[in-house]
Amino acid sequence: DSGVTQTPKHLITATGQRVTLRCSPRSGDLSVYWYQQSLDQGLQFLIQYYNGEERAKGNILERFSAQQFPDLHSELNLSSLELGDSALYFCASSLSSRETDTQYFGPGTRLTVL
Amino acid sequence: EDQVTQSPEALRLQEGESSSLNCSYTVSGLRGLFWYRQDPGKGPEFLFTLYSAGEEKEKERLKATLTKKESFLHITAPKPEDSATYLCAVQGPGGSYIPTFGRGTSLIVHP
Repeated sequence: DSGVTQTPKHLITATGQRVTLRCSPRSGDLSVYWYQQSLDQGLQFLIQYYNGEERAKGNILERFSAQQFPDLHSELNLSSLELGDSALYFCASSLSSRETDTQYFGPGTRLTVL
Repeated sequence: EDQVTQSPEALRLQEGESSSLNCSYTVSGLRGLFWYRQDPGKGPEFLFTLYSAGEEKEKERLKATLTKKESFLHITAPKPEDSATYLCAVQGPGGSYIPTFGRGTSLIVHP
């Protein structure tokens, strides 16, 4: 158990809908990272937040947005969902924002868009 | 654009049969190369970070090495519990954490 929690574990929804994925980092960690993992694309970095502020942005679509709240939990919002958004979404956390920090991954949310 | 290629895609070993996984990369100004282990249905687990050519790191039966163009993950006398997908990622320059991941090597170790 990494100490990172993600909810829900599974999510099934329809095209065009909007969903919110939630992540609670390990106690004491200030950085939260979001990743998408699909069979055809592999693991892709989406976005990083550090202490409430966006720190780095990767291959995140405009339909997707994220935020980190004062209690350091984070939410990833996916809107206007398409079939291709079906994937595993992982959250990770680390102590600070340095790229050398060890990241601890949560168990993931499996999103299925029908 | 940073690129990471892992080989082989899949590897089957007998328990005790040592082997190596390869991660080839093209990036200008490598800031770091990361190895992760991922079990089915679970999040990746961090293994190593390598920063410069010639660097080596070890953890139990695993040893990671780095050259200017590739990294190897050597597995010595593997056990069935080493079965997993091993992911490699590179961090290029720019000051922000934006890694590029390879597709992984799926390792199965038979007893």
